[in-house]
Amino acid sequence: AQKVTQAQTEISVVEKEDVTLDCVYETRDTTYYLFWYKQPPSGELVFLIRRNSFDEQNEISGRYSWNFQKSTSSFNFTITASQVVDSAVYFCALSEAFMFSGGYNKLIFGAGTRLAVHP
Amino acid sequence: NAGVTQTPKFQVLKTGQSMTLQCAQDMNHNSMYWYRQDPGMGLRLIYYSASEGTTDKGEVPNGYNVSRLNKREFSLRLESAAPSQTSVYFCASSEWTGVMDQPQHFGDGTRLSIL
Repeated sequence: AQKVTQAQTEISVVEKEDVTLDCVYETRDTTYYLFWYKQPPSGELVFLIRRNSFDEQNEISGRYSWNFQKSTSSFNFTITASQVVDSAVYFCALSEAFMFSGGYNKLIFGAGTRLAVHP
Repeated sequence: NAGVTQTPKFQVLKTGQSMTLQCAQDMNHNSMYWYRQDPGMGLRLIYYSASEGTTDKGEVPNGYNVSRLNKREFSLRLESAAPSQTSVYFCASSEWTGVMDQPQHFGDGTRLSIL
């Protein structure tokens, strides 16, 4: 069965600190996708990144970076120099690849990590 | 630039009442999904529709029904609401380009309280 674990329920940091959000996943599929979504206090879900299981390259987008390690089944998310606007709940999610599921992807979400960035 | 639109945004029901949550997307996506979000549990899939005319159960389908009215619209119905169905409901849509999975786009959610 597929499972996503985000062990950190809440993290509190002071602005400009770096923070890493952990994500560990379980799947028997050899082809799969991993995602990170952000849910700000306003409640909507904002897509941040998608990574397929064949691509273990780390990715950097501005202050955000992602570290994907298949050997440890982890897909961790780091925010550098955090800002108050980064305060949100962050979800890691896993899905089987479309090509094997028939054109849809059922996302399995972790429980989320609430990040509070204080001035 | 609407994306995925959910109505209503808020609703309070009494136990036993019925209700339909509406969802429409304007991105011409084939696949649509309904999730519920409960504190400490992330989002869980209720039902999904891989394409127009098909629907399938997700992780937590009990107490719900769905209708894929057309390619744009996917509704979720609670026939006899129960307090355990108090939650925030999200609709999403996605597409496979044939080359790469596209991420799901989510609506803003419907906050449903059942007394």
